[in-house]
Amino acid sequence: KQEVTQIPAALSVPEGENLVLNCSFTDSAIYNLQWFRQDPGKGLTSLLLIQSSQREQTSGRLNASLDKSSGRSTLYIAASQPGDSATYLCAVRSGGGADGLTFGKGTHLIIQP
Amino acid sequence: EPEVTQTPSHQVTQMGQEVILRCVPISNHLYFYWYRQILGQKVEFLVSFYNNEISEKSEIFDDQFSVERPDGSNFTLKIRSTKLEDSAMYFCASSEVSPNQPQHFGDGTRLSIL
Repeated sequence: KQEVTQIPAALSVPEGENLVLNCSFTDSAIYNLQWFRQDPGKGLTSLLLIQSSQREQTSGRLNASLDKSSGRSTLYIAASQPGDSATYLCAVRSGGGADGLTFGKGTHLIIQP
Repeated sequence: EPEVTQTPSHQVTQMGQEVILRCVPISNHLYFYWYRQILGQKVEFLVSFYNNEISEKSEIFDDQFSVERPDGSNFTLKIRSTKLEDSAMYFCASSEVSPNQPQHFGDGTRLSIL
């Protein structure tokens, strides 16, 4: 059974810093991996999706990498801003015909002004 | 930008009652999903729906749950006889053509069972 773990559980950094969020998964047979942000009381906003054949995806100040064989992904946020404060979730779509995503518990990020 | 909309935002129901949660997926999307998030826990997959039938369901999605696409725009989740442990945030999501494309989520319905 696929398990997704995110480290750290919480992170607080001053504005302007570059930071890395980590995600690991136990079964490397995945179709894709998706990063989301979740604001308090809100839904999930899709940030990036990396297919299993890809190594990284970029969107603005965000860069996500995938090392499928080692079961790891990182989300790099450049020049962090207070508006980046949110919970960041990593989710994988496992192989074997699965439709649903398996989520990690998230990293709660606070960017101090 | 097109978005998934869910109603109501908050539903309070007595234990044992039936509840229907409603979702309008993004209009050209073909795959629909329900997830739930119990307070303080991970988001969990419940069910996926494609071509008017269930494509995949998790072990959480037992006989108390059902899904339906009653018309061309709505997608519903019904819980037949609610239990206290059904209290959670329920999220609807959709993807354009296949589960291999990004899943886009609504803002959720907070279900409180008394």
